[in-house]
Amino acid sequence: DSGVTQTPKHLITATGQRVTLRCSPRSGDLSVYWYQQSLDQGLQFLIHYYNGEERAKGNILERFSAQQFPDLHSELNLSSLELGDSALYFCASSERDRGDTIYFGEGSWLTVV
Amino acid sequence: QKEVEQDPGPLSVPEGAIVSLNCTYSNSAFQYFMWYRQYSRKGPELLMYTYSSGNKEDGRFTAQVDKSSKYISLFIRDSQPSDSATYLCAMLIGYGQNFVFGPGTRLSVLP
Repeated sequence: DSGVTQTPKHLITATGQRVTLRCSPRSGDLSVYWYQQSLDQGLQFLIHYYNGEERAKGNILERFSAQQFPDLHSELNLSSLELGDSALYFCASSERDRGDTIYFGEGSWLTVV
Repeated sequence: QKEVEQDPGPLSVPEGAIVSLNCTYSNSAFQYFMWYRQYSRKGPELLMYTYSSGNKEDGRFTAQVDKSSKYISLFIRDSQPSDSATYLCAMLIGYGQNFVFGPGTRLSVLP
């Protein structure tokens, strides 16, 4: 158990809908990262927050947004969902905002039908 | 050219074999190198973390970094069926930068 908690574990929704994925980082970690992993694809970096502030954006679609709250949990909002958004969404956390290792949650498996 | 490349496999070996997993990269600025193990549709689990060139050993696992060749390796000795997973290399330039992951190599250790 990495200590990173993600909910929900599985989610099935229809095209055009909006969902929110939630992440609680490890105790003491200030950085939260979101990654997308499609079937047979590598991990694609979406966004990084550190202590409530956005630090970096990767290939995150405009339909997607995220935030990190004062209690350090983070939410990833996915809207106007398309079939191609079906993927595993991982949250990871690290203590600081530099060359540290990151620890992954178990992921939220999103299926868009 | 992708920033980090891995042979996707699948790589099948008999139980007890020595496994060599490799990544090549193009950005010479990478300084931190990691290996993650991911069981099917589970979260990646950190295996090894190294800084700069050299070797690091942890039990049956040895990580090797050759910055001059832009090449990193993970060796698994006495491989077990429980080692069957996808192995992802990851690397980082440094402060304020983000991790870049390789696409992963699928390993299957046959009993």
